[in-house]
Amino acid sequence: ETGVTQTPRHLVMGMTNKKSLKCEQHLGHNAMYWYKQSAKKPLELMFVYSLEERVENNSVPSRFSPECPNSSHLFLHLHTLQPEDSALYLCASSQGTGGVYEQYFGPGTRLTVT
Amino acid sequence: GENVEQHPSTLSVQEGDSAVIKCTYSDSASNYFPWYKQELGKRPQLIIDIRSNVGEKKDQRIAVTLNKTAKHFSLHITETQPEDSAVYFCINTGTASKLTFGTGTRLQVTL
Repeated sequence: ETGVTQTPRHLVMGMTNKKSLKCEQHLGHNAMYWYKQSAKKPLELMFVYSLEERVENNSVPSRFSPECPNSSHLFLHLHTLQPEDSALYLCASSQGTGGVYEQYFGPGTRLTVT
Repeated sequence: GENVEQHPSTLSVQEGDSAVIKCTYSDSASNYFPWYKQELGKRPQLIIDIRSNVGEKKDQRIAVTLNKTAKHFSLHITETQPEDSAVYFCINTGTASKLTFGTGTRLQVTL
């Protein structure tokens, strides 16, 4: 299960902090995703990148800023977060976009905003 | 994908019994229907999928059935085992930007 890695695995940050989540995929995939998983809520798709271009931003607040410098790396920059942003943030990759490709998930970053 | 409803939200079965989880979708353009399993503290993983040109697909103890007319697809697990205990998600797919996950079903297999 090392195809998609995420760092850090756990992060505690204050509302005024700035931090970044990192995701790396070693599968040669062309698409990468950020998801938010909150307790008792379905997985929410946040951002989709295809060949380093952002395909979609699903109404995500601007305090979340994604960056995809190449097809293997994906970042999520965080600033002035709110306590309700505490969740598990999952990165995923797939061979292509179009919704018909298997998603390979990373282990996630457990974020706590204090 | 648009809306997707998943039922039940929790399901408890005895080991050896069968479990069925159902998802209902609204996007008639959907043509790919995957199911993911997420064990406690682990990442979601694809366990089975079906495309709109078939009505049923089976892989050992798990199967997925699709009814495009009624717009629902179901996950069937037979002869359940404790390691089947997990949260199961369906996905309503369209374009990658419109992936919509079901709310999840927490399956508990008791001894």
